[in-house]
Amino acid sequence: NAGVTQTPKFQVLKTGQSMTLQCAQDMNHNSMYWYRQDPGMGLRLIYYSASEGTTDKGEVPNGYNVSRLNKREFSLRLESAAPSQTSVYFCASSGQAPDTQYFGPGTRLTVL
Amino acid sequence: QKEVEQNSGPLSVPEGAIASLNCTYSDRGSQSFFWYRQYSGKSPELIMFIYSNGDKEDGRFTAQLNKASQYVSLLIRDSQPSDSATYLCAVPGAGSYQLTFGKGTKLSVIP
Repeated sequence: NAGVTQTPKFQVLKTGQSMTLQCAQDMNHNSMYWYRQDPGMGLRLIYYSASEGTTDKGEVPNGYNVSRLNKREFSLRLESAAPSQTSVYFCASSGQAPDTQYFGPGTRLTVL
Repeated sequence: QKEVEQNSGPLSVPEGAIASLNCTYSDRGSQSFFWYRQYSGKSPELIMFIYSNGDKEDGRFTAQLNKASQYVSLLIRDSQPSDSATYLCAVPGAGSYQLTFGKGTKLSVIP
């Protein structure tokens, strides 16, 4: 039982490049979330998926897209990376939102 | 937009002392409150949640909720160096699918 897994752990991009961050959970949770964490800004919600087949914007969705591929997987895509997207990205899941969100280990992204 | 405020710290306490962490929130309708612990370079992990006014105890941790004054606190008794971390307060947002996090309080427990 791995919980919430994220790939990759680290990534360096150049401005304008695209990439997809992958997230998977094996806890049979309905809801999944993508956050970014920046120094002095705390955790901010980018997008969430309350259940398979639905996605909604969070506090800071601009520049990102998401796909809820199935109940287990929720991906975050940066179409044209910008230096302002340099951050640590966390995926989380919960069985009955918002109670008890379980976080993945994070992806540290640097955009040059 | 819900707001959740915490002192950023750092809060330094000697080993064995009680650490007191506070959080205030703006939405009087908030019903549940969560405390997460985050070690440096790691992901947040849930340590406590509280729904009702009063105290909730779990081992060395006690969460206190006062809805009238709109604050929730976390007390850590017999603080240990391993408690040194950033503590995040979180409150459910609109539609209850979002958690609004405070910016966190950094706690240092000095041996």
